[in-house]
Amino acid sequence: AQSVTQLGSHVSVSEGALVLLRCNYSSSVPPYLFWYVQYPNQGLQLLLKYTSAATLVKGINGFEAEFKKSETSFHLTKPSAHMSDAAEYFCAVRDYYGGSQGNLIFGKGTKLSVKP
Amino acid sequence: DGGITQSPKYLFRKEGQNVTLSCEQNLNHDAMYWYRQDPGQGLRLIYYSQIVNDFQKGDIAEGYSVSREKKESFPLTVTSAQKNPTAFYLCASSDNRVGYTFGSGTRLTVV
Repeated sequence: AQSVTQLGSHVSVSEGALVLLRCNYSSSVPPYLFWYVQYPNQGLQLLLKYTSAATLVKGINGFEAEFKKSETSFHLTKPSAHMSDAAEYFCAVRDYYGGSQGNLIFGKGTKLSVKP
Repeated sequence: DGGITQSPKYLFRKEGQNVTLSCEQNLNHDAMYWYRQDPGQGLRLIYYSQIVNDFQKGDIAEGYSVSREKKESFPLTVTSAQKNPTAFYLCASSDNRVGYTFGSGTRLTVV
């Protein structure tokens, strides 16, 4: 079965610092991978997705993620954090098996805080 | 513009009452989903439907019911059997190729 692990439920960075949110997945087939962002009391918004094309994926708001098959990772980065980046971030992998084929399997989420 | 609409945004329920949360999409997506979100617990799947007139239980279906009579609509009923219904509920839809589109959520509170 596929799964997603997000390392660190809370990450705190200073404004202007590098943002690195970690995501590891397990999958026996080439995965489709996603990062979503959620602001308080709102739904999730797609940041970026990997669907077996380029391994470095650029998303909205200056975020990008790199697919590394050897490390089974899909970490999310942004060179310089803004206060507006404070939110919760979810990594997800597309399920390929059985009746739930096509469903997304979500990680537990990482809450990002940005200090002035 | 195409999108997915959840209503109401805030809902209050008395103990012992059933309440229904609305979810409508005009994206022509086949699949629709309901998630429950509690602080620190991520997203937990309640029910999903990959086609009209068919739906499947997710990980925490007890105390909930759904219907999928139209492609555009996937209402969720929180029944009195759900002992701890206070939570944030998210609906999503998908064409099974490019990920999910989420609604803006309904916050349900038991009073």
